[in-house]
Amino acid sequence: GAGVSQSPSNKVTEKGKDVELRCDPISGHTALYWYRQSLGQGLEFLIYFQGNSAPDKSGLPSDRFSAERTGGSVSTLTIQRTQQEDSAVYLCASSPSTDGDTGELFFGEGSRLTVL
Amino acid sequence: GNSVTQMEGPVTLSEEAFLTINCTYTATGYPSLFWYVQYPGEGLQLLLKATKADDKGSNKGFEATYRKETTSFHLEKGSVQVSDSAVYFCALKGTSGSRLTFGEGTQLTVNP
Repeated sequence: GAGVSQSPSNKVTEKGKDVELRCDPISGHTALYWYRQSLGQGLEFLIYFQGNSAPDKSGLPSDRFSAERTGGSVSTLTIQRTQQEDSAVYLCASSPSTDGDTGELFFGEGSRLTVL
Repeated sequence: GNSVTQMEGPVTLSEEAFLTINCTYTATGYPSLFWYVQYPGEGLQLLLKATKADDKGSNKGFEATYRKETTSFHLEKGSVQVSDSAVYFCALKGTSGSRLTFGEGTQLTVNP
């Protein structure tokens, strides 16, 4: 597609369940980012991929969070044993830059996660 | 570490009013600075940027000047329109690493 695609757009789950969020970046973009936006908060960085490797995963809040990227394209963010504080909008962004230096990120519309 | 502070919102203006959204930052060295905008129902998109001190970024009538001495990057527009209603995010990219650090966002509503 023309833009960054995220799915699902909305996910409601019960506390303790695992969830997977998917990001399909713009074709050819080598850099991929995950951010989290909680109610009334700014964007919180989670992880950065360059190709299939993650040189910066320092923003992952706990070991319940993990992410992978395959084929230099699609990425999946997995949250295990979800907690209510995980409720947020999870944003994915991609960039054509090999080193991210331009700072221009192209964002998807996000996946809204609600943990009951 | 790096941080960005934006003026608290929400901001409500009448059409054709002057807009200022304040943004200050904390970072070592000379970061790059950005304003992103999120229109209702859409993803964030880059509005403008400045990569060195005294640079002015501009787009769609919006402007922001990189002020190293005051560590600021305030967003301005001389005459806002209803279509400018959105959430505006100030962000910086530090001199090392690839992540952007964002402010909390400022909701702008422009009434006709």
